[in-house]
Amino acid sequence: RKEVEQDPGPFNVPEGATVAFNCTYSNSASQSFFWYRQDCRKEPKLLMSVYSSGNEDGRFTAQLNRASQYISLLIRDSKLSDSATYLCVVNEGTGGFKTIFGAGTRLFVKA
Amino acid sequence: ETGVTQSPTHLIKTRGQQVTLRCSSQSGHNTVSWYQQALGQGPQFIFQYYREEENGRGNFPPRFSGLQFPNYSSELNVNALELDDSALYLCASSEDWGGQQFFGPGTRLTVL
Repeated sequence: RKEVEQDPGPFNVPEGATVAFNCTYSNSASQSFFWYRQDCRKEPKLLMSVYSSGNEDGRFTAQLNRASQYISLLIRDSKLSDSATYLCVVNEGTGGFKTIFGAGTRLFVKA
Repeated sequence: ETGVTQSPTHLIKTRGQQVTLRCSSQSGHNTVSWYQQALGQGPQFIFQYYREEENGRGNFPPRFSGLQFPNYSSELNVNALELDDSALYLCASSEDWGGQQFFGPGTRLTVL
């Protein structure tokens, strides 16, 4: 089982659609969680941190379920500019620090 | 405020050679992490340096080594280059070892 698994994608959605990304992680002792966005041939950029209480930033909502070891990202009212790869990221601090990225889910938003 | 910078932008080496990649962290950040990203995959964690000490390491062989300097800039050294080492190498800095990471633009390494 991979340490961090994401939906394989790609997702093809029309403008205005709501799209959900899912991610699971294997280490129950994982400490912090993030979603990053990566445009083609660019570096990853932080989208948002993820907390058990859930957090929202405009059209983006992230949620963490520690019991199920599951992280989600919801994008409402998709824009063309949302087209990118979305990366789920988990930090582990037991036995030495490690950051684990999922393989990413590619999103295409079409007019 | 200056962001994370990396040099060089691109590099071509031959198998068996050695390479050094450089990273300047964002102002106020004391932690640097290095990643390898192959085409179509997520970044793979190589190691992290916190206040000049290696703080964690991923599943990379010892020929991948690093340093962090007192100004918190960092180097990644790769010895005995292999064809599979061709990838984008990303550096990220953070205020602390478990915090949000901010990435540089990367160094694209090609091994022939």
